[in-house]
Amino acid sequence: TQLLEQSPQFLSIQEGENLTVYCNSSSVFSSLQWYRQEPGEGPVLLVTVVTGGEVKKLKRLTFQFGDARKDSSLHITAAQPGDTGLYLCAGPLRGNNNDMRFGAGTRLTVKP
Amino acid sequence: DVKVTQSSRYLVKRTGEKVFLECVQDMDHENMFWYRQDPGLGLRLIYFSYDVKMKEKGDIPEGYSVSREKKERFSLILESASTNQTSMYLCASSLGQGIVGYTFGSGTRLTVV
Repeated sequence: TQLLEQSPQFLSIQEGENLTVYCNSSSVFSSLQWYRQEPGEGPVLLVTVVTGGEVKKLKRLTFQFGDARKDSSLHITAAQPGDTGLYLCAGPLRGNNNDMRFGAGTRLTVKP
Repeated sequence: DVKVTQSSRYLVKRTGEKVFLECVQDMDHENMFWYRQDPGLGLRLIYFSYDVKMKEKGDIPEGYSVSREKKERFSLILESASTNQTSMYLCASSLGQGIVGYTFGSGTRLTVV
């Protein structure tokens, strides 16, 4: 079983729709990060959330860290084809950044 | 532009061969990592290093070893390649302290035949 469970595994939507993807764990994390990976490339960091209940916005992307610091969500408003990619959440196993663990990701396809 | 560079994008090797995957970063980062990425399993940590000549096992170190002789270079070694090591291999680096993100290379897709 994964330390970080992401859902859904696949999501295909039309341009302009809203969506939310989830990252859940039974463990408490000191922080969680979200990455986006495009085909043929490595993941790229989008955001880090640190405080329980924290909400961060990055243009049309809204990230939330659960109050208990066991889960996080990513909401995209008015999705665009450029949002297509694999969204990964990650958290440090031992409270520092020396050994991040990743979820399996949500593969998002936004159709024009 | 800061960068993590992996020496090969695609590699095909035969079963039993010794395989070297090279990774170089130009950001003076203390920490370096090797992950493998497989569909449905996500990124799994193989080995990491937080200093020159230091290494720690990740979750799936069996069949792999690493070398870090210089701060900027972290090599992953498959001692005797097997077909179940066919995968995408990703190298990453990060600063030593604090909550910071990883910078990833573009990956090496290794096929063992």
